Amino acid sequence: DAGVTQSPTHLIKTRGQQVTLRCSPKSGHDTVSWYQQALGQGPQFIFQYYEEEERQRGNFPDRFSGHQFPNYSSELNVNALLLGDSALYLCASSLSEGGRDYNDQFFGPGTRLTVL
Amino acid sequence: SQKIEQNSEALNIQEGKTATLTCNYTNYSPAYLQWYRQDPGRGPVFLLLIRENEKEKRKERLKVTFDTTLKQSLFHITASQPADSATYLCALDPAEYSGAGSYQLTFGKGTKLSVIP
Repeated sequence: DAGVTQSPTHLIKTRGQQVTLRCSPKSGHDTVSWYQQALGQGPQFIFQYYEEEERQRGNFPDRFSGHQFPNYSSELNVNALLLGDSALYLCASSLSEGGRDYNDQFFGPGTRLTVL
Repeated sequence: SQKIEQNSEALNIQEGKTATLTCNYTNYSPAYLQWYRQDPGRGPVFLLLIRENEKEKRKERLKVTFDTTLKQSLFHITASQPADSATYLCALDPAEYSGAGSYQLTFGKGTKLSVIP
């Protein structure tokens, strides 16, 4: 089991460009959450996808959008990049089953985005 | 507004001693509190979870306590080793979905622990 995988590992973009980051969840997991982690800060929740729909969203602008595919993998898209979008973007997967006990959430290694 | 504070940005401790990290929160009623370890340039790794109705949880050299009255969790590493050096993150989960975790975590900034040989 490869665990949570993310691609690419590193990415350099310029202001105004658009970027797409990808995540494959751990085998058997159906829920994907995305986090942004600026240097020296804790991860901040961007949004979560379950059954191919955005289930919840954190305090991020509409420039941040996402998608979940039938195989549970997910993409994070950021439009009109700003310098402040430079961060480590983390994907986390989990299993959502209502009424069940808490399941562990697994994080991927992250994608380091640098905006110049 | 909701706020999570981890007592210090950095903590240095001698090898073999017990490291104690603190997580305080305000304006929040978490159902679950978790601790993660993060090494530089890597994603967080789950360590321990404690539920709102639990007081203490142990796993090997790790111990977590949860006081919902004080709105505080303490994370202890006993017999600390240089390999324990990392940033430790506290995270809260409000558990909005049928009692199961929402997995929409709010994290503290973390405490960087350095264990000195």
